Amino acid sequence: AQSVTQPDIHITVSEGASLELRCNYSYGATPYLFWYVQSPGQGLQLLLKYFSGDTLVQGIKGFEAEFKRSQSSFNLRKPSVHWSDAAEYFCAVGPFTGTASKLTFGTGTRLQVTL
Amino acid sequence: SQTIHQWPATLVQPVGSPLSLECTVEGTSNPNLYWYRQAAGRGLQLLFYSVGIGQISSEVPQNLSASRPQDRQFILSSKKLLLSDSGFYLCAWSGQGDGNEKLFFGSGTQLSVL
Repeated sequence: AQSVTQPDIHITVSEGASLELRCNYSYGATPYLFWYVQSPGQGLQLLLKYFSGDTLVQGIKGFEAEFKRSQSSFNLRKPSVHWSDAAEYFCAVGPFTGTASKLTFGTGTRLQVTL
Repeated sequence: SQTIHQWPATLVQPVGSPLSLECTVEGTSNPNLYWYRQAAGRGLQLLFYSVGIGQISSEVPQNLSASRPQDRQFILSSKKLLLSDSGFYLCAWSGQGDGNEKLFFGSGTQLSVL
């Protein structure tokens, strides 16, 4: 069965500092990998996705993620964090069967940004 | 452009009462539709998905049911709510076919069962 582990429940960084959020997955084949962001009381917004090709993918809001098959990881990074990046971040893995996108989400990492 | 509407935003219900949450999608046809639940301190759990009118797949056994009476309408229901049904419920849609694996989420419903 597929699974996602986000080992950091809560991270605090200073505005302008770099950020890396960890994500490890378990999946039996080449996975679809996603990062979503959730602001308080809101739905989830897609930041980026990976399925194949270049292992470094660029997303919105200056985020990027690197797929490392050997480590079963898909860590999210941003070189310089802005106060507006404070939110909860979810990594997800899943099959796309051609008819449905049944994603499994991690438990999330809450990012706090200090000024 | 496509939009997804979900209501109500918050709901407080007593144990044993019925539930009906509604989700509608605009600007697309024949979407895949999904219900996820986010319990406190936990990730999102896929509850149901639908690839067409009247076609419902349940991912976990539970006290809830889902229906899709129209192409762009997805309803989550319960006849008798349990305390464990409390959580944040998210509706989502995706397109069908290759390149449409992304999920687009509604703004969610915070359900408190007391």
